[in-house]
Amino acid sequence: GNSVTQMEGPVTLSEEAFLTINCTYTATGYPSLFWYVQYPGEGLQLLLKATKADDKGSNKGFEATYRKETTSFHLEKGSVQVSDSAVYFCALSPGASGNQFYFGTGTSLTVIP
Amino acid sequence: NAGVMQNPRHLVRRRGQEARLRCSPMKGHSHVYWYRQLPEEGLKFMVYLQKENIIDESGMPKERFSAEFPKEGPSILRIQQVVRGDSAAYFCASSEPQGERHEQYFGPGTRLTVT
Repeated sequence: GNSVTQMEGPVTLSEEAFLTINCTYTATGYPSLFWYVQYPGEGLQLLLKATKADDKGSNKGFEATYRKETTSFHLEKGSVQVSDSAVYFCALSPGASGNQFYFGTGTSLTVIP
Repeated sequence: NAGVMQNPRHLVRRRGQEARLRCSPMKGHSHVYWYRQLPEEGLKFMVYLQKENIIDESGMPKERFSAEFPKEGPSILRIQQVVRGDSAAYFCASSEPQGERHEQYFGPGTRLTVT
């Protein structure tokens, strides 16, 4: 079946620290992988995506690489800002084998000045 | 181009009442998905609809929940005889088919509280 396992939080970092949020998946077929961000009181916004193995998604200083050999899609940022404080969700779309997304449980990030 | 619209943003219902949640997809999108987010959990798929058709309702509870996406107007998620366990954030997403990879755009959600 399809599932996403995400690093549990909450995570608290100082400004300019390095961020890693781990995400691993199980899937049938060849899924696309996504990171979504949810700011307080708002809906989910697409942060980045990768549609095939070895693709690297990047946006706003965040990066994640689709690693088929380790079934992972870890989110990284070299220097976090206070404005990055949010909940981050890793998600999987099975593609041809289905239309729904499968989400991880979310990781809450707080960045302190 | 307006994004996915959901209303109301917050809804309070007493046990036994009905809740109706509305979703207007992005302009040009004909596919709608509903997800539920329980406290401290990720989003769980409920139902996938196209205009006038339910394509996949494998995530919908068997009783009290229904969804529609009429030819005209928004998609509606209806919960009859609500119970406390229905308290959650309900998110709608929309997409336009793009080959095998459907990118979904999410609305701000409706936060349902059952008292």
